[in-house]
Amino acid sequence: SQQGEEDPQALSIQEGENATMNCSYKTSINNLQWYRQNSGRGLVHLILIRSNEREKHSGRLRVTLDTSKKSSSLLITASRAADTASYFCATGSGYKLSFGAGTTVTVRA
Amino acid sequence: DVKVTQSSRYLVKRTGEKVFLECVQDMDHENMFWYRQDPGLGLRLIYFSYDVKMKEKGDIPEGYSVSREKKERFSLILESASTNQTSMYLCASSTIWDRVTASSYNEQFFGPGTRLTVL
Repeated sequence: SQQGEEDPQALSIQEGENATMNCSYKTSINNLQWYRQNSGRGLVHLILIRSNEREKHSGRLRVTLDTSKKSSSLLITASRAADTASYFCATGSGYKLSFGAGTTVTVRA
Repeated sequence: DVKVTQSSRYLVKRTGEKVFLECVQDMDHENMFWYRQDPGLGLRLIYFSYDVKMKEKGDIPEGYSVSREKKERFSLILESASTNQTSMYLCASSTIWDRVTASSYNEQFFGPGTRLTVL
């Protein structure tokens, strides 16, 4: 079953701007992960945040997790054309992940 | 680097045909997964396997079966393809225990996907 829901569904920004997308989920989780998918390709893991963490950084990515609100956000700073992709949150429980429908980000030059 | 490969990038089959989608990973991962991806629905888990010859149904197993005879290979079988099985199929693998992070919170590594069209 689809656990996470991303918001917005689509986002268009200018190169150099920041992109923020949100993920809400319904049940308790062990961890939350963000993945990127370039057009028509497989998914690539970006970052994982555990349920006992509140914020995590990786390069230009910043992820927050609020377990009381059952929500997470992904911030991409100083966006580049290469960041154009779909971004998915996935909530982890045991071996399995439940994915949302994704946010499509378009970075305009 | 982990590599997950899928047998075909694009596949066109006719209704009623038996279809085999193959996935191979080279990192000795215990877990392997098959998803289908449809616009607006995200990824939905069809089946997963946590060991050789072991399998568990995911969220949408109807019309599919799987086979895992060797650790590195996980096959998805459409016994009698139907038009509503036209989709992007993604294979993924993960390990049970991540030695680097010393945790079981493991990322999944995905193949490039197979876009299947059933006519």
